[in-house]
Amino acid sequence: GAVVSQHPSRVICKSGTSVKIECRSLDFQATTMFWYRQFPKQSLMLMATSNEGSKATYEQGVEKDKFLINHASLTLSTLTVTSAHPEDSSFYICSARQGLFYEQYFGPGTRLTVT
Amino acid sequence: KQEVTQIPAALSVPEGENLVLNCSFTDSAIYNLQWFRQDPGKGLTSLLLIQSSQREQTSGRLNASLDKSSGRSTLYIAASQPGDSATYLCAVFIIQGAQKLVFGQGTRLTINP
Repeated sequence: GAVVSQHPSRVICKSGTSVKIECRSLDFQATTMFWYRQFPKQSLMLMATSNEGSKATYEQGVEKDKFLINHASLTLSTLTVTSAHPEDSSFYICSARQGLFYEQYFGPGTRLTVT
Repeated sequence: KQEVTQIPAALSVPEGENLVLNCSFTDSAIYNLQWFRQDPGKGLTSLLLIQSSQREQTSGRLNASLDKSSGRSTLYIAASQPGDSATYLCAVFIIQGAQKLVFGQGTRLTINP
C-alpha cells in the first residue's frame, strides 16, 4: 500500500510555544489530507480535512486559530499547534488519500507532550 | 448521524483460538468499510477494505464480512497468535454530507500464549 510519513514522531515543547508537525504522502499525490487526534485508550477523533490549495474544514469544537493546517502541495500538509498548553498533549495522526473514492492511508503518528 | 459501535471493547483469548470481532453502524449509506489494526503508540495499519457491493474480503488468517442492510460487519481471525494482540478499529466511509471515515471505539485484543 501507499506510504504516509509524519515528522517528528515525538516532540516535547514548553507551554506557550508553537510546534509544527509534517505529514507527507511519499508515493502518491494526496488531494485530501486529514488530521486526527487520539487520547489514550480512545478512538481517533477527526480534527480537520484539508484539500490541496484550499482552506481546511474543521470539525465542530476544534479551534482553527489554535490548530493551523496548511496543505500547500499534493504531498505535504502541516499541522501547527499554536500557544501549546499541557491539555494539547496527545497523539496526532495524519491521513491522506489520492481522491474521493480512493483508500485512505495513515501516518505513524506524532506524540506531542507539552510541559 | 452515522455511529459505529464495536463489541466487545476488550477481548482476551488463549493462543490458537478462532475469534470474531463485531462492528455495527447505524446508517447503511456507506461507500466502504475498513478494518484497521493499531499497536500501542503506533499509527493505523489497514487490514481489509470491503466495498459496499461486496460481502467479504480475506487476507491470510483474516476474513471480514459485510452485511450492509443490517449494518453489521465481522472480522474473523483464525488460529490466533500472540502477535495478533492489538486494538482493532472498524471504520465506515460515508459519502453523504461530510465525506469521511467514521471510526468505532475499537476492540482491544489480547492473545495469551
